[in-house]
Amino acid sequence: EPEVTQTPSHQVTQMGQEVILRCVPISNHLYFYWYRQILGQKVEFLVSFYNNEISEKSEIFDDQFSVERPDGSNFTLKIRSTKLEDSAMYFCASSPTGLYGYTFGSGTRLTVV
Amino acid sequence: AQKVTQAQTEISVVEKEDVTLDCVYETRDTTYYLFWYKQPPSGELVFLIRRNSFDEQNEISGRYSWNFQKSTSSFNFTITASQVVDSAVYFCALSKFKETSGSRLTFGEGTQLTVNP
Repeated sequence: EPEVTQTPSHQVTQMGQEVILRCVPISNHLYFYWYRQILGQKVEFLVSFYNNEISEKSEIFDDQFSVERPDGSNFTLKIRSTKLEDSAMYFCASSPTGLYGYTFGSGTRLTVV
Repeated sequence: AQKVTQAQTEISVVEKEDVTLDCVYETRDTTYYLFWYKQPPSGELVFLIRRNSFDEQNEISGRYSWNFQKSTSSFNFTITASQVVDSAVYFCALSKFKETSGSRLTFGEGTQLTVNP
């Protein structure tokens, strides 16, 4: 069964450093998403991406965040200057047209120290 | 705005008991999707079910069943004869209905289910 692949599974970074989280969506999917889950809390939407541009973003997704699809397969989330409160599990997801087949990756646990 | 409420923060049962996880949602849309996800201790999100708002038939899949009631804006999830492996956090989620485009999922706070042997 096709999977959304996220790397690394766990990343530790120092406060103020830039971090890039990587995702490989399912190959024939057209929509890509990032979600965040602070430890013990609910999963929160960050951003959706379609046709090489952001289609929707939440209030969490401020200027510190950016997304990119640098080639035909990868989808990345960059946090420019990490803060302690950015520590969370970050999930990538992708979907074809509509919502059938909406698939999450296994997540990257980001720890900011 | 869309909102999902899972009032039960934690539930603890003994193996083989039946357990129902509640989900109540709010939306102004007339058509929408509802989801349930399981998050085991390993952390990944495991898809369980997707239901669109114009299909109010209840669904059963093995020990799992779902009761969708549009009149009360609820989409409850029942596990019959629970097992220790069912221990996890369960999330209910809501999305706009879009046939030809993507959409964000709005998640509830989750219910931590612990099944004791």
